[in-house]
Amino acid sequence: ETVMTQSPATLSVSPGGRVTLSCRASQSVGNKLAWYQQNPGQAPRLLIYDASTRATGIPARFSGSGSGTEFTLTITSLQSGDFAVYVCQQYDIWPPTFGQGTKVDIK
Amino acid sequence: EVQLVESGGGLVQPGGSLRLSCTASGLSLGVSWMTWVRQVPGKGLEWVANMNQDGSEKFHVDSVEGRFTISRDNRKNSLYLQMNGLRSQDTAIYYCATEGTNDYGVHWGQGALVIVSS
Repeated sequence: ETVMTQSPATLSVSPGGRVTLSCRASQSVGNKLAWYQQNPGQAPRLLIYDASTRATGIPARFSGSGSGTEFTLTITSLQSGDFAVYVCQQYDIWPPTFGQGTKVDIK
Repeated sequence: EVQLVESGGGLVQPGGSLRLSCTASGLSLGVSWMTWVRQVPGKGLEWVANMNQDGSEKFHVDSVEGRFTISRDNRKNSLYLQMNGLRSQDTAIYYCATEGTNDYGVHWGQGALVIVSS
């Protein structure tokens, strides 16, 4: 199965700041990559699909890029609700697989 | 407002069975591929199974193949996961989700906790 590796495991950022999260696939997944935000005790929330398309209602502060095996999620002007775990998922190769997540916490 | 609600979770002994249900409001499940995803508390997400709109296509990951079965009843706007031969490794929060244009989750339920323990 396709292994998704996210880095770093944890990132500390100040409110208003900017972060760039990385996700690497063990083999090419084209642009079939989604990003989710997950807060403690809550279900994942879709942010980005097809590597760079924002889901409905997601603000432009969230942007995704990449293709093949290397992907990034950039969040600007971090707000209180953005401090969460971010998970990438590939859906090009069955079975769909998820990264272990990057936790963004308050510096 | 779109809402998915899972039910049927609980404590079950190894080798036992449970049936999870996922009922939708605010949208018709019949227009979407549907999926079950699980998460061991504090750990990562794992795709479990998915199914197309009319139930004619269904896929299960290897770790549950032959033990779990996904199904749906569009008349009841519901999705199901029949889980047999449960193992301790199946202990997790089980989420149902609608899929988008491909195998990613758009709308998610709040999750149902399944604990397999003697």
